Amino acid sequence: GAGVSQSPSNKVTEKGKDVELRCDPISGHTALYWYRQRLGQGLEFLIYFQGNSAPDKSGLPSDRFSAERTGESVSTLTIQRTQQEDSAVYLCASSLGDLIMNTEAFFGQGTRLTVV
Amino acid sequence: DAKTTQPPSMDCAEGRAANLPCNHSTISGNEYVYWYRQIHSQGPQYIIHGLKNNETNEMASLIITEDRKSSTLILPHATLRDTAVYYCIVSLGGGADGLTFGKGTHLIIQP
Repeated sequence: GAGVSQSPSNKVTEKGKDVELRCDPISGHTALYWYRQRLGQGLEFLIYFQGNSAPDKSGLPSDRFSAERTGESVSTLTIQRTQQEDSAVYLCASSLGDLIMNTEAFFGQGTRLTVV
Repeated sequence: DAKTTQPPSMDCAEGRAANLPCNHSTISGNEYVYWYRQIHSQGPQYIIHGLKNNETNEMASLIITEDRKSSTLILPHATLRDTAVYYCIVSLGGGADGLTFGKGTHLIIQP
């Protein structure tokens, strides 16, 4: 596809269950970001991948959160033992590169996670 | 500390130019000014970016002051579909902190 694709678009899960969210970046984009956006709030940075470098995990809120990326393609964000406070829209973005480049980022439509 | 300061909200009449200000007094020499917007229930969308010179594209114009400490995003003929939260970001354009979103300006276009 032409844009960043995220799946599922909506996910309802029971408290305590694990969930996996998927992001397919734009082909050729080496940089990939995950954000969380709670209702009525701003975007919180979670994790950043750039090529084969070690990811920047500085935004992950707890060890229940993890993310992987296979090369420069799909990424999955995993939340273990979900809590109600994890309810949010999870957004993925990709961009062409890193370094000092004036690149723009492209966002997916997000996955709306509801923990009940 | 936030790198940018924006008013929390603004109104603009449909058909008029919307001028959204942003202060970035601590911007460094190689940092760009980026603007994104987020329409309700959608992912953020890139609008425009610039370094020193004013920039224009099909969506908007970006005016950056000579000292680069502030900028203005201009939507020349605002429509109802331009109602969104507009984020001004100062960035090198990459890296983990390349996209640090503040609270933005909620622009409401009035019919």
